[in-house]
Amino acid sequence: EVQVVESGGGLVQPGGSLRLSCAASGFFVSDKYMSWVRQAPGKGLEWVSVIHSGGTTKYADSVKGRFIISRDNSENRLYLQMNSLRDEDTAVYYCAREGYSYGLTGYFDQWGQGTLVTVSS
Amino acid sequence: DIQMTQSPSTLSASVGDRVTITCRASQSISTWLVWYQQKPGKAPKLLIYKTSILESGVPSRFSGSGSGTEFTLTISSLQPDDFATYYCQQYNYYSPRTFGQGTKVVI
Repeated sequence: EVQVVESGGGLVQPGGSLRLSCAASGFFVSDKYMSWVRQAPGKGLEWVSVIHSGGTTKYADSVKGRFIISRDNSENRLYLQMNSLRDEDTAVYYCAREGYSYGLTGYFDQWGQGTLVTVSS
Repeated sequence: DIQMTQSPSTLSASVGDRVTITCRASQSISTWLVWYQQKPGKAPKLLIYKTSILESGVPSRFSGSGSGTEFTLTISSLQPDDFATYYCQQYNYYSPRTFGQGTKVVI
């Protein structure tokens, strides 16, 4: 069964750091584009970062220079290292596998249940 | 970045109604558009990709259409399980993935 499960969320003070983890099963993270998508309380969805199957990484402007996406192929895990956290980073963070069809990827066909990150003093 | 605008933000409907949600892109995205359904406290669920292709297991009462900058999601006969928030999202190699702001379908 294809599944992704996030962990690592919690309460952190502004300026602090946190690392999110996403365990994948039923497929290899190294074979797919994998993204993080977040949703602030009561708000819509915001794409945060992607790591391509070839290792290229991209970030939303709102997190560029502060967040780092990575993966561990041996453990079949995706990570998001979040530094210099701000109040506005408070959100549920979803790990999402990207689907591929007709020569293009970029949509999300498998989502985790999400992990809540709260940035507050 | 490509901006996605959905309308309406909230839609009141009844079981059995035909429902249409519109999504507009700030520039042409061809047919690189998807729709998700999200229920409270749950992750989004992929309904439709490449504008009109139903994800496996999605009921046939859902359909999508459009191209370029204007797209629609239609539910032909609203069922109790369909009351949720719906998001469109564009995917384009040259632009960050962006979502619409969501349309909440309520009784």
